[in-house]
Amino acid sequence: GQNIDQPTEMTATEGAIVQINCTYQTSGFNGLFWYQQHAGEAPTFLSYNVLDGLEEKGRFSSFLSRSKGYSYLLLKELQMKDSASYLCAGSDSNYQLIWGAGTKLIIKP
Amino acid sequence: GAVVSQHPSRVICKSGTSVKIECRSLDFQATTMFWYRQFPKQSLMLMATSNEGSKATYEQGVEKDKFLINHASLTLSTLTVTSAHPEDSSFYICSASAGTGSSPLHFGNGTRLTVT
Repeated sequence: GQNIDQPTEMTATEGAIVQINCTYQTSGFNGLFWYQQHAGEAPTFLSYNVLDGLEEKGRFSSFLSRSKGYSYLLLKELQMKDSASYLCAGSDSNYQLIWGAGTKLIIKP
Repeated sequence: GAVVSQHPSRVICKSGTSVKIECRSLDFQATTMFWYRQFPKQSLMLMATSNEGSKATYEQGVEKDKFLINHASLTLSTLTVTSAHPEDSSFYICSASAGTGSSPLHFGNGTRLTVT
């Protein structure tokens, strides 16, 4: 079956670095997405990886290892506004998105 | 960047009535739009895939006669919750893609439906 696993909740300190991991099993693979969702709001797109390696975009970076079925989202210089849920989604052979349950990130001063 | 507009943002209705939610892609053509439902503290659940000019594809367990989807143009899809009941109270979100399956989804701001 298809499955996306990510931690339910993580806590980090303002100014620090946090890595949110995601493992996936999909029928075929057409990329891995990360979305940010603040409470009560719709998700917003953060990153897309389809090739192995690290994609850096400002304070956020996303990594993919296709052989391991593994991705992570790295957030640097954490700010209080980064407190949100982070959703990992894998795209299968039909380009359908398989969603993880989301990781709630709590930032403490 | 690509913008998706969803309306209304909040709606309260009485049990037994119907509610229509609109989703528009403002600056791009979306041949495919997706409708999601999200319960508190849970992830997005895909309800249906809406294709312009054809019938929507519903996910297993989603009643197509209760959740009517119309994708009349390349920029507009609507979701109508018919004969709403309190258990239909949820956060409904639409999304659209501007290109191929590898393009990111752009989401509307969501609609908070409360059925009393």
